[in-house]
Amino acid sequence: AQRVTQPEKLLSVFKGAPVELKCNYSYSGSPELFWYVQYSRQRLQLLLRHISRESIKGFTADLNKGETSFHLKKPFAQEEDSAMYYCALSGSRAQKLVFGQGTRLTINP
Amino acid sequence: KAGVTQTPRYLIKTRGQQVTLSCSPISGHRSVSWYQQTPGQGLQFLFEYFSETQRNKGNFPGRFSGRQFSNSRSEMNVSTLELGDSALYLCASSPQTGGTEAFFGQGTRLTVV
Repeated sequence: AQRVTQPEKLLSVFKGAPVELKCNYSYSGSPELFWYVQYSRQRLQLLLRHISRESIKGFTADLNKGETSFHLKKPFAQEEDSAMYYCALSGSRAQKLVFGQGTRLTINP
Repeated sequence: KAGVTQTPRYLIKTRGQQVTLSCSPISGHRSVSWYQQTPGQGLQFLFEYFSETQRNKGNFPGRFSGRQFSNSRSEMNVSTLELGDSALYLCASSPQTGGTEAFFGQGTRLTVV
């Protein structure tokens, strides 16, 4: 079964501080992992996916298969990063996209 | 390109009634998925349709059903509404099924009273 765990419901950091949002997954095969973000009054949108290995808005995430984790990181937080972040997992093709519970990130000035 | 469109945006229904929600995917997208979002449970997968066929189903009772039309538009239906069905229902479309980026609509806020 696919499962995604985001242990922190709320995370608050100061502007300029590093940010790490944790995501752990459970899946027996090769997963495809994503981070989605929902800014206030906006629709849920893709932030990044592990396959592309891109850095989006300064965020990066590395898939660690040994620790079954896909933590989202940013070295210097900005106020506009305040949002709800969801980690999501999909198995091999034709499998559903499963989301974690989400972490609400607040960046304090 | 127009984004994913969900109608209506808001609904208030009474317990025991039924409701139909509609989703128009991005042009060219053949996969449509539905999610229920609540503060306590987060985003829970309801079902996915691809080329008019249900490809995946979440752990929801049979009162929740859906369908997809030949133009990829999708509807979901909830019968015999319960108070606990109050939630934001999100629709997402993808070019294909599984493992690809999902584009979300703004959701339909359903309140059951």
